Amino acid sequence: EDKVVQSPLSLVVHEGDTVTLNCSYEVTNFRSLLWYKQEKKAPTFLFMLTSSGIEKKSGRLSSILDKKELFSILNITATQTGDSAVYLCAVDYAQGGSEKLVFGKGTKLTVNP
Amino acid sequence: DTEVTQTPKHLVMGMTNKKSLKCEQHMGHRAMYWYKQKAKKPPELMFVYSYEKLSINESVPSRFSPECPNSSLLNLHLHALQPEDSALYLCASSQVLAGVSKNIQYFGAGTRLSVL
Repeated sequence: EDKVVQSPLSLVVHEGDTVTLNCSYEVTNFRSLLWYKQEKKAPTFLFMLTSSGIEKKSGRLSSILDKKELFSILNITATQTGDSAVYLCAVDYAQGGSEKLVFGKGTKLTVNP
Repeated sequence: DTEVTQTPKHLVMGMTNKKSLKCEQHMGHRAMYWYKQKAKKPPELMFVYSYEKLSINESVPSRFSPECPNSSLLNLHLHALQPEDSALYLCASSQVLAGVSKNIQYFGAGTRLSVL
């Protein structure tokens, strides 16, 4: 079954809107949760979250983790057309002595002018 | 600098060809990864190298053969691929601190592979 579930899968907004993207997970030996932005090719790193309740912020983007309820949200305020992309949530966890990163299916965000 | 360089950017090959994908990073990262990404799907882990040793093989068919000749380079050798292997192949790298990865993975732009 899916270990990382993102919602919504697709979102269309107008410039200036605020959006909230959701990510829930269910893994043992959790280490961290990461958010990436993928436009054409390479996923680019946005945030890494390891502790509950501490907001990470970068410009108009912010993210927070709740380790008790096993979810994270990514907020984007005052959206711009350049924010259009697929936003991927990934969870880093330990399994069998190794470490893995498993991705959710992503949220495709379209920001219209 | 968080650059991971992959070559070639595009590759078209027949099912009987042998080709290789190359990945290079100069960030001093000691963990490197290969992912496969099909259209409209998330990246799926294929292989992990840690300190130039293969640590994870996600039951990938033997027609994919990884190689890590040194700490900066990662190759993926391809042989007798099938059309369903057509995908974007992404390389990533991350630090390893005291045996535990600080797993912010930095990705290359990928090689778009088409198997005819």
